Amino acid sequence: DTGVSQDPRHKITKRGQNVTFRCDPISEHNRLYWYRQTLGQGPEFLTYFQNEAQLEKSRLLSDRFSAERPKGSFSTLEIQRTEQGDSAMYLCASVGGLAKSEAFFGQGTRLTVV
Amino acid sequence: RKEVEQDPGPFNVPEGATVAFNCTYSNSASQSFFWYRQDCRKEPKLLMSVYSSGNEDGRFTAQLNRASQYISLLIRDSKLSDSATYLCAVPSNSGYSTLTFGKGTMLLVSP
Repeated sequence: DTGVSQDPRHKITKRGQNVTFRCDPISEHNRLYWYRQTLGQGPEFLTYFQNEAQLEKSRLLSDRFSAERPKGSFSTLEIQRTEQGDSAMYLCASVGGLAKSEAFFGQGTRLTVV
Repeated sequence: RKEVEQDPGPFNVPEGATVAFNCTYSNSASQSFFWYRQDCRKEPKLLMSVYSSGNEDGRFTAQLNRASQYISLLIRDSKLSDSATYLCAVPSNSGYSTLTFGKGTMLLVSP
């Protein structure tokens, strides 16, 4: 499968625990985005990487959230001290080349904080 | 005006009907626009890209009106399998090629 891959697909955690999600983008894509989506809403932008550089972070991204893309390939999103309000689908998308801006999404990680 | 705003749904239509959704955007500098389809509890999947005045792919037509800052998605001869949420996405004002999504419009096609 050469699409965007996310792991895990589902995560249930207790409030206060830390969680980490992984995203493997399409291999030739240099741009990677994290979004969060809750029921009835569209995806909300969290952060953006071009290669290994984190170029933009949303105001939605509190200091409990951190993302990395150490070698410009896969990326991780960590949430520390999870809260019930963090329950959502976390989506990763990758975009390739300078001329195109079409984003392709992974299947998402559904987080439930109990 | 919100960055991206879509027709609130749901749209309930019979099979074979033609249905159109609208999406308005605030970033007048946007050069590209996208429609995504999202099935329940699945990821958004790219349906159509619009880089000029419009695009057509089979039963689906997207039209862009730059003067009024909206794009529309027209679905002809609706099928049961078209039932989904349709998301409009527009590059944000930030200039980093980030896409801003609308809340989506749900379409329900009935027999």
